[in-house]
Amino acid sequence: GQQVMQIPQYQHVQEGEDFTTYCNSSTTLSNIQWYKQRPGGHPVFLIQLVKSGEVKKQKRLTFQFGEAKKNSSLHITATQTTDVGTYFCTVPDSGGGADGLTFGKGTHLIIQP
Amino acid sequence: EPEVTQTPSHQVTQMGQEVILRCVPISNHLYFYWYRQILGQKVEFLVSFYNNEISEKSEIFDDQFSVERPDGSNFTLKIRSTKLEDSAMYFCASSGRQVFYGYTFGSGTRLTVV
Repeated sequence: GQQVMQIPQYQHVQEGEDFTTYCNSSTTLSNIQWYKQRPGGHPVFLIQLVKSGEVKKQKRLTFQFGEAKKNSSLHITATQTTDVGTYFCTVPDSGGGADGLTFGKGTHLIIQP
Repeated sequence: EPEVTQTPSHQVTQMGQEVILRCVPISNHLYFYWYRQILGQKVEFLVSFYNNEISEKSEIFDDQFSVERPDGSNFTLKIRSTKLEDSAMYFCASSGRQVFYGYTFGSGTRLTVV
């Protein structure tokens, strides 16, 4: 199945600092999705990236898909306490409609006030 | 906003017992999934279900596991003879035809095998 590496595993930031998490695959991806999981919660869909070099923004969150479609990043500007959680990148297993998702190990964002 | 509903929220069972985890996916979704997350670890895919049959399953989904859509609304995961290592959070998810909108996960069932 697909493999995706996600770094860092943990990120401690002061409130107001920026945060970035990275995902890398050895194979070209058809798409990548990002999810957020609050402590004790369930994964919540953030966005899907499909096109090479795509950049999408959601308020303070910026998502990028690499030109080769093998890597992606999520950047949060000026973190707030509500950003606390684990951010997962996911890739589809085969590209079909009923695909399972392979999750990265996630980046745990810890914010110090 | 439509939700995926899972019951129970927490299930404690003795090793060797059968458990059934229940899910009600979003009503107009076509694809249904089960995932699990062992405490502190990443989310792992178990199985996907479409058009009343299994579409894809992972290595984790062995003969001890089965899924069913017994009626038009419920989607169940059965573990026939639970092991200690089955202790995890089990998430149900569903998606519509347009995966662009992502998968909607339920709040999960925490299964504890003792």
